Amino acid sequence: AQTVTQSQPEMSVQEAETVTLSCTYDTSENNYYLFWYKQPPSRQMILVIRQEAYKQQNATENRFSVNFQKAAKSFSLKISDSQLGDTAMYFCAFMKVDSNYQLIWGAGTKLIIKP
Amino acid sequence: DAGITQSPRHKVTETGTPVTLRCHQTENHRYMYWYRQDPGHGLRLIHYSYGVKDTDKGEVSDGYSVSRSKTEDFLLTLESATSSQTSVYFCAISESVDYEQYFGPGTRLTVT
Repeated sequence: AQTVTQSQPEMSVQEAETVTLSCTYDTSENNYYLFWYKQPPSRQMILVIRQEAYKQQNATENRFSVNFQKAAKSFSLKISDSQLGDTAMYFCAFMKVDSNYQLIWGAGTKLIIKP
Repeated sequence: DAGITQSPRHKVTETGTPVTLRCHQTENHRYMYWYRQDPGHGLRLIHYSYGVKDTDKGEVSDGYSVSRSKTEDFLLTLESATSSQTSVYFCAISESVDYEQYFGPGTRLTVT
């Protein structure tokens, strides 16, 4: 069975700093997807970034980028020039292809951006 | 934003009573999911549907049942609510094109 581990329950940084959130996963699959979702205080779940395992190039979305290390089964999220609006819970999630698109979730990291 | 609504948004009920939560989508997506979110656990899959009348169990399905008689509606039923089912419940939808799951606003359920 697949598992997803986020080892940092909570982090805080100053506004405009760069922060990296860690995620590791355990799987014997070769074909899968990885996701980072954000959940602000409004409770709405929002997709931040997605990575296909077959792609070696790391995904980027504006200030958000990932460091995908397939052999190490690591999928960290880097937020550059952090903003107050980035304050949220961040969840790492794993999806095996051909699994009816089921997601396996980490426990989350609470990120606080300080002014 | 994906057209997903959940009702009710908040509910307080007593132990032993039946409860039904509704998820409604206007996106015509094939896949629908029910999750519960508890502190320290992230999201855990309860049940999911891959088409009308096609459902399957997730990681934490005990005490829950689901039904999907129309593409747009996915119902989650707690036959006899227990205090351990106090949680925030999220519905999500997905289509195979981009693998993204789109989430509803959540329902906070308290069982006293």
